Amino acid sequence: EAGVAQSPRYKIIEKRQSVAFWCNPISGHATLYWYQQILGQGPKLLIQFQNNGVVDDSQLPKDRFSAERLKGVDSTLKIQPAKLEDSAVYLCASSLENDLYEQYFGPGTRLTVT
Amino acid sequence: GQQLNQSPQSMFIQEGEDVSMNCTSSSIFNTWLWYKQDPGEGPVLLIALYKAGELTSNGRLTAQFGITRKDSFLNISASIPSDVGIYFCAGLKKRQLTFGSGTQLTVLP
Repeated sequence: EAGVAQSPRYKIIEKRQSVAFWCNPISGHATLYWYQQILGQGPKLLIQFQNNGVVDDSQLPKDRFSAERLKGVDSTLKIQPAKLEDSAVYLCASSLENDLYEQYFGPGTRLTVT
Repeated sequence: GQQLNQSPQSMFIQEGEDVSMNCTSSSIFNTWLWYKQDPGEGPVLLIALYKAGELTSNGRLTAQFGITRKDSFLNISASIPSDVGIYFCAGLKKRQLTFGSGTQLTVLP
């Protein structure tokens, strides 16, 4: 069974530029999560989707971050414009619809903002 | 927001030794989880605890859900080189996972 796929694996941009990350969850997983992991910290939830609807985006900085999951499968997370403090690893995870515990994480995208 | 205090921040142990790490919170969680993260990878679930007082094992790993529901610990027995990595606790409440800051484990040969 294929795992959660993410791309790109690494991205370096200058502050005020835009960036987008892509995630393809495990087939059949209805729930998709985006986390931000700053160096030396644990992952922090940014947004959670159930199929193509948003369940929780309370910790998403909506002035610059946006995410979508239009067809209930793949998802993109965008930052526009980026700030230095956005440097982090962005992790995507997915789970079966009613299984919040067994979240399968992708390898992440390491973003560096200079 | 909610915070999980995980300790120790890092540990250096000899291969074959046992290791213990713990997590405490100021608020109650319904479920405690322990994850391991290798460099360049996402976290992988090791153990899930669903009831206060529960003690669960997974091979050489043992974890307990504290009676107060505000803490949990993870023990690793007879450590081996592949145990190296960052271990995270996480608490689940209201459909949201809150992660601790991690314990970096180094196993010396």
